[in-house]
Amino acid sequence: DADVTQTPRNRITKTGKRIMLECSQTKGHDRMYWYRQDPGLGLRLIYYSFDVKDINKGEISDGYSVSRQAQAKFSLSLESAIPNQTALYFCATSGPDRNSGNTIYFGEGSWLTVV
Amino acid sequence: SQQGEEDPQALSIQEGENATMNCSYKTSINNLQWYRQNSGRGLVHLILIRSNEREKHSGRLRVTLDTSKKSSSLLITASRAADTASYFCGRYSGGGADGLTFGKGTHLIIQP
Repeated sequence: DADVTQTPRNRITKTGKRIMLECSQTKGHDRMYWYRQDPGLGLRLIYYSFDVKDINKGEISDGYSVSRQAQAKFSLSLESAIPNQTALYFCATSGPDRNSGNTIYFGEGSWLTVV
Repeated sequence: SQQGEEDPQALSIQEGENATMNCSYKTSINNLQWYRQNSGRGLVHLILIRSNEREKHSGRLRVTLDTSKKSSSLLITASRAADTASYFCGRYSGGGADGLTFGKGTHLIIQP
């Protein structure tokens, strides 16, 4: 079983619809992240959370919101999806161990298409 | 904004040859990490090099870091078809910073 699980893996939604991407992890990590990947633009950080009560905006948070429901769960929502939010979304985690150097473990990604 | 770039953006070599890709960054780092991504899949951690290290090896991978030039390189020796993937460097600034920042990656194609 994957350590970082994302659902759904693929979703097509219409402009203006609300969509939620869910992420759960079994690594016991405190830190969780949502990244977006677009062709030619690499990965960009949307939101990150260092624990259940901590939520921080990343580079491109506009149009997104997140919820850290538990240490193991971190969901990303698009309140009103728009076509330029079509992308591959990754959830990721990292541990609190300073020696790990913040090595990040990624889920398999969620393909989102907004039509 | 991107904190640096991988170079080249694309690289095609013959199986058995060595592949070298580079990563530059703009601000000081705590460590730099290389990841591999197979098409449409998640990124997989390959190797981490700390700011006080100059070179690290892992199997066929060799990573160097030159903090004076703010650059790193990843060398894959004796390339195989299975090495075909995109490679990203993640720059970690430490101090509770927001995760890693990535460039656009190098797309490596190994021709059989």
